[in-house]
Amino acid sequence: GENVEQHPSTLSVQEGDSAVIKCTYSDSASNYFPWYKQELGKRPQLIIDIRSNVGEKKDQRIAVTLNKTAKHFSLHITETQPEDSAVYFCAPTGNQFYFGTGTSLTVIP
Amino acid sequence: DTGVSQDPRHKITKRGQNVTFRCDPISEHNRLYWYRQTLGQGPEFLTYFQNEAQLEKSRLLSDRFSAERPKGSFSTLEIQRTEQGDSAMYLCASSFGTGGRMNTEAFFGQGTRLTVV
Repeated sequence: GENVEQHPSTLSVQEGDSAVIKCTYSDSASNYFPWYKQELGKRPQLIIDIRSNVGEKKDQRIAVTLNKTAKHFSLHITETQPEDSAVYFCAPTGNQFYFGTGTSLTVIP
Repeated sequence: DTGVSQDPRHKITKRGQNVTFRCDPISEHNRLYWYRQTLGQGPEFLTYFQNEAQLEKSRLLSDRFSAERPKGSFSTLEIQRTEQGDSAMYLCASSFGTGGRMNTEAFFGQGTRLTVV
């Protein structure tokens, strides 16, 4: 199966600072790259995604960048807010998808 | 269609008993996934179906676990002879995918929380 790694595993930032989470994967067949946010006690929900024919996508304070050659994609959150505190998972998708190990983000007010 | 639904939401069982969970995916989704998640960990892949075919099963899944999706719609996950280590949240997700450019996001159910006592 796919080998998916996320870094860092935990991240603390001051409110208003930026946060970056990186996901590396092994399956060259992956062509769809989503990021999910999971708040405590809730189900994972999609926050942003990108397809393999695009290098970058932005949605307000959230962006995703993809380097398909190097097999990694990153989540960028700018102007972080306390409500951004959650666990974030990448899930590169080809024939199926595997979750990364997760990054616990804490935004300190 | 109100999304992915799972039943029951909570299940408490005695060690050694069998349990069965149900997942109803979004109707137009052909892929259905089962994950297990324990506190502080990411979802751990168990198995997935494309239509009625079970295409992949985790090596970590013991023979006590079995899943079916007989008509390519709802799915059941059965755990036989439950053990305390089986206590976890069992998440179901569905998506549309062909392996090509048509992969879409996965939507998750609210999960079934299993407690084995």
